[in-house]
Amino acid sequence: QSVLTQPPSVSGAPGQRVTISCTGSSSNIGAGYDVHWYQQVPGRAPKLLIFTNNNRPSGVPDRFSGSKSGTSASLAITGLQAEDEADYYCQSKDSSLSGSVFGTGTKVTVL
Amino acid sequence: EVQLLESGGGLVQPGGSLRLSCAASGFAFSNYAMNWVRRAPGKGLEWVSYITGSDGDTKYADSVKGRFTISRDNSKKTLFLQMNNVRVEDTAIYYCAKTVYGTPNWFDPWGQGTLVTVSA
Repeated sequence: QSVLTQPPSVSGAPGQRVTISCTGSSSNIGAGYDVHWYQQVPGRAPKLLIFTNNNRPSGVPDRFSGSKSGTSASLAITGLQAEDEADYYCQSKDSSLSGSVFGTGTKVTVL
Repeated sequence: EVQLLESGGGLVQPGGSLRLSCAASGFAFSNYAMNWVRRAPGKGLEWVSYITGSDGDTKYADSVKGRFTISRDNSKKTLFLQMNNVRVEDTAIYYCAKTVYGTPNWFDPWGQGTLVTVSA
């Protein structure tokens, strides 16, 4: 199991807002490490969605936003669209591990 | 355009070996650290290994340490993952990903992946 915990699934109707939490501890997010987010559409490679807590790469719609506070981070999707159906992962660093760590992953379903 | 193209996946028996490759293009390969990340069936993403750009320093997840070896050939712009003594639990899609430096680093872009199946 990962040191970063996400809800297994979230769902929402088209146009709604959903949020995905990424809960860590004092040895990772709470230690000051930044959080990045990835989207993986079924059958496709993961894609960077948010870097350094709240920054969007070029081409990522502003419907996606990130935040970080204390030992947790969140990804928000506003104006949910059918194409947003995918798995989402947070990523950070833990002081007890040699490399990066991914969250447990969240499946977003558009109803 | 930055492109990463993995190859070398396939079916291998437990205890066997396999070598994955990742051909890079569109950027100064030797200037960037690279990673392997995997996703097992029904599971989430797992970081596997990391190698720096020029001096070749490496890191491994505990789950593969001592069995997998990451390397690179900067003259051929290619990243490798030598997988030895593979286990059923190594079955996964393996992605190579370019490092973007941060605290921590992040991964962008990713290749399309290559499937490794470990089965008798």
